[in-house]
Amino acid sequence: SQTIHQWPATLVQPVGSPLSLECTVEGTSNPNLYWYRQAAGRGLQLLFYSVGIGQISSEVPQNLSASRPQDRQFILSSKKLLLSDSGFYLCAWVSGERYEQYFGPGTRLTVT
Amino acid sequence: QQPVQSPQAVILREGEDAVINCSSSKALYSVHWYRQKHGEAPVFLMILLKGGEQKGHEKISASFNEKKQQSSLYLTASQLSYSGTYFCGTEYETSYDKVIFGPGTSLSVIP
Repeated sequence: SQTIHQWPATLVQPVGSPLSLECTVEGTSNPNLYWYRQAAGRGLQLLFYSVGIGQISSEVPQNLSASRPQDRQFILSSKKLLLSDSGFYLCAWVSGERYEQYFGPGTRLTVT
Repeated sequence: QQPVQSPQAVILREGEDAVINCSSSKALYSVHWYRQKHGEAPVFLMILLKGGEQKGHEKISASFNEKKQQSSLYLTASQLSYSGTYFCGTEYETSYDKVIFGPGTSLSVIP
């Protein structure tokens, strides 16, 4: 069966520090991968998505970037965090066959 | 571009029914429905593809009206476990592979 992992689960970082969040999927190949951010009490904002290795589409211009170095690995990065980067970061994958989107457990980021 | 959801919030007593609507101004390729409990990741409920199909999942079902670019989620005989925030996610014909979420509908089921 397919599973999706994210780490770390929680993170507290000072303003101006770098960020690296990792997401990996097991049990499938060539999935579409997504990064979402959810501010407290708000909806899900699509940040990046990828349909293959090295293929990244950015939805929101900001100080975040994403990379997909391997088929089942998706990384979200920042060189310098802002206070507004705080939120719940969710990675998701979609099976090309069934179109169903499944979320990882998420990383709760607090920028202080 | 974000789909519109209604109502914003609803409170039900156990056993009552509810309908949550999701509409778009752009042509839809698919609609996804999710439920999120506080502090947890969203959980996939169902997906409806273009074609006006209706799907069911226990006492939760959904329809997709292609003509109106609208989907509705039906919760019947609600249970306490149904409480949470329900999100619809839409893929547009011009940009499928990309799911855009609505603002969510908060549903509370009370005894």
